[in-house]
Amino acid sequence: EVQLVESGGGLVKPGGSLRLSCAASGFTFSNTWMNWVRQAPGKGLEWVGRVKSRTDGGTTDYAAPVKGRFSISRDDSKYTLYLQMNNLKTDDTAVYYCTTVQWAAFDYWGQGTLVTVSS
Amino acid sequence: QTVVTQEPSFSVSPGGTVTLTCGLSSGSVSTNYYPSWYQQTPGQAPRTLIYNINTRSSGVPDRFSGSMVGNKAALTITGAQADDESDYYCLLYMGSFWVFGGGTKLIVL
Repeated sequence: EVQLVESGGGLVKPGGSLRLSCAASGFTFSNTWMNWVRQAPGKGLEWVGRVKSRTDGGTTDYAAPVKGRFSISRDDSKYTLYLQMNNLKTDDTAVYYCTTVQWAAFDYWGQGTLVTVSS
Repeated sequence: QTVVTQEPSFSVSPGGTVTLTCGLSSGSVSTNYYPSWYQQTPGQAPRTLIYNINTRSSGVPDRFSGSMVGNKAALTITGAQADDESDYYCLLYMGSFWVFGGGTKLIVL
């Protein structure tokens, strides 16, 4: 059974940093592209960024609002995906989900972790 | 800026059929965008319904179907049930990034 479990959310002040983790199991993590998606309170879904599998180059792409501030990485040996968030803004307040990518779609989702940016 | 459009809300009667659409503010939705669809109920993570235009995700009932209609992607629910009342999001793959639509709140009454 595929499982994705996010952790690391919490309250942080504007300008601060936070690192989210996503522990994966039930599939071959190293072969899988992975994503982060977020959802601000009462709003819709927003793609944050993606990391390809190492065999596909391991490259990352980001949505414009987070480019230069957020960084996605993966540790295939630990079956873990990371999202490093720097210079956080109040607009970054959201539930953050990690997802797998298959057929250009997001097939499995974690339960999400809440990040609140507030002074 | 790529804007993906969806109906903000839609109503359907129990047992009825409804088609939700996913378009682009500028241009047509191409099959090359691999449209996919997600269902989300309040407080829950999204659930994948359809990927690659019309392929149902594992465990999704066959009353959910995906297609291309004109210049848009479409999600059709046939024989709507009360627990289909949810938010529905489409997603388009633009080559190196993805864009979600704003979502459609489906009301079943």
